[in-house]
Amino acid sequence: EVQLLESGGGLVQPGGSVRLSCVASGFTFSSYAMSWVRQAPGKGLEWVSGISGSGGGTYYADSVKGRFTISRDNSKNTLYLQMNSLRGEDTAIYYCAKDIRGGDWGQGTVVTVSS
Amino acid sequence: DIQMTQSPSSLSASVGDRVTITCRASQGISNYLVWFQQKPGKAPKSLIYAASSLEGGVPSKFSGSGSGTNFTLTISSLQPEDFATYYCQQYNSYPLTFGGGTKVEIK
Repeated sequence: EVQLLESGGGLVQPGGSVRLSCVASGFTFSSYAMSWVRQAPGKGLEWVSGISGSGGGTYYADSVKGRFTISRDNSKNTLYLQMNSLRGEDTAIYYCAKDIRGGDWGQGTVVTVSS
Repeated sequence: DIQMTQSPSSLSASVGDRVTITCRASQGISNYLVWFQQKPGKAPKSLIYAASSLEGGVPSKFSGSGSGTNFTLTISSLQPEDFATYYCQQYNSYPLTFGGGTKVEIK
């Protein structure tokens, strides 16, 4: 059974930083691209960033380019999202999703950017 | 970037109704389209990938069709557990993009 468990969310001040983690199990992690997708309160889904299985390819939405960095450690079956220069509009539930087509999702971790 | 336009943004339907949701891509995406269902407080769940392939365990009342720029999700007979928000997403190219969502409510 595929499991994705996100962590690292919380309350952070504008301009601050946070690193999200997503621990994967139940599949060969290194064989799959992974994504981060967020959902602001009461809003729709927004793709944030993606990474290839090897980690050699990384992709970002324009809204986070230059501020967020996606990475993975295949030896630890873990996906990361380093989020810097956070803004109020980054407040959202952050989900990790398996594969480019999002076949499986974690339960999400909440990031709140507020002073 | 590829824009995904979903319609309608909301609809009211009765149990037993046939429901169709449309998703249009701003450029051709072949069949690289997935449909998600999301219920309040829950993570999205994939229903259909490659435009028309049913995910394992998803009931056959859900079906998808289309290729290129025009796609549809059909629920053949709406049941109480189907009231939710539905999203399309293209995975033809990065950045991946979602439609705005369709909220299916009880009439």
